[in-house]
Amino acid sequence: DVKVTQSSRYLVKRTGEKVFLECVQDMDHENMFWYRQDPGLGLRLIYFSYDVKMKEKGDIPEGYSVSREKKERFSLILESASTNQTSMYLCASSLTGQFYGYTFGSGTRLTVV
Amino acid sequence: RKEVEQDPGPFNVPEGATVAFNCTYSNSASQSFFWYRQDCRKEPKLLMSVYSSGNEDGRFTAQLNRASQYISLLIRDSKLSDSATYLCVVEFGSNFGNEKLTFGTGTRLTIIP
Repeated sequence: DVKVTQSSRYLVKRTGEKVFLECVQDMDHENMFWYRQDPGLGLRLIYFSYDVKMKEKGDIPEGYSVSREKKERFSLILESASTNQTSMYLCASSLTGQFYGYTFGSGTRLTVV
Repeated sequence: RKEVEQDPGPFNVPEGATVAFNCTYSNSASQSFFWYRQDCRKEPKLLMSVYSSGNEDGRFTAQLNRASQYISLLIRDSKLSDSATYLCVVEFGSNFGNEKLTFGTGTRLTIIP
């Protein structure tokens, strides 16, 4: 089974802090994604990457950046955390060419105070 | 218009009943369709893909109508363990074979004993 691991289940950070959310997958998937999920809004795509050192903006990239230095790791960075970034963050990965949907990590619930 | 629109729910259904969810999507060029299931405070997990000819997996049947841009999920003989949020998921914008998915906001289902 593909495993997507997110480094923290729960995080509490202060406004203005720089926050790193880490995601690692162990099945050599090319594609990785960061979503946030909020009640009534569903999952919204923040950034995605189809290859190492490659990144593309999703639907709501403002206030976020990403890093993909290695194929298995995709990091989401909140440059200066704000209270409106309090959310559930979900990382996902998928394989190019054989598309069976995404596999998600278990999520990081981030609270910014 | 939302890219993926689902029944608002919530659905509260007695055990053993049949329940159907509907979903419409806006991009006529979409090629891949899925239903995901998400339990409370957990990550989404793939329930089933949706094929043009319709497909069945045990008590679950998925249908796709490309002309109407409409997807459905039918659950027969519902069980208490079917209680979850069901997400309609549509591929939007393939890039070199790398699909990008858009998620509906989900329909909450509660099976009542």
